[in-house]
Amino acid sequence: AQRVTQPEKLLSVFKGAPVELKCNYSYSGSPELFWYVQYSRQRLQLLLRHISRESIKGFTADLNKGETSFHLKKPFAQEEDSAMYYCALSEAGNQFYFGTGTSLTVIP
Amino acid sequence: KAGVTQTPRYLIKTRGQQVTLSCSPISGHRSVSWYQQTPGQGLQFLFEYFSETQRNKGNFPGRFSGRQFSNSRSEMNVSTLELGDSALYLCASSPRTGAADTQYFGPGTRLTVL
Repeated sequence: AQRVTQPEKLLSVFKGAPVELKCNYSYSGSPELFWYVQYSRQRLQLLLRHISRESIKGFTADLNKGETSFHLKKPFAQEEDSAMYYCALSEAGNQFYFGTGTSLTVIP
Repeated sequence: KAGVTQTPRYLIKTRGQQVTLSCSPISGHRSVSWYQQTPGQGLQFLFEYFSETQRNKGNFPGRFSGRQFSNSRSEMNVSTLELGDSALYLCASSPRTGAADTQYFGPGTRLTVL
């Protein structure tokens, strides 16, 4: 069963516009949720995790247990935000389940 | 600290052959996980090793196997290669297991099966 769903394969926004990358999950326990990012020609790396409640590079994500969502948001997109974004869930600290990813393009 | 390294970076094999991929984790990290990345499926978990023991296994056939050495380095083996095994294989290390630690990824090994 798919644990993490990212409904958008591709997303384009103009520079300065708000951006939201959607992530829905399926897990009955208390999930650990993450966003990972892969910039062009770079390794996959952690962007943020819900437990730390940080804002990284202007991105935030709120865990909504009622809607089982963990959408990634940024109020003003920058060109350097263009990348592949993956939502991930860790099940009880064990294996990670990744979504299929959303390719974000920020148009100048 | 040096990051996760994977060798080789590229491999071309033919159907039926077998292949071994190698991963060296960040120094001090004892957990190594392997993932298969394809455009259609995204990242799919293969297995995780910690202290030379397989702790978790994803939903892949038995042709996919792995091991971990006492220095935490890990290898992944795929036997009887199929065309569908063509993918980017990523390894990730983390300090612990069972703790949802941040995964630190290597650059990947691009496997092409002809």
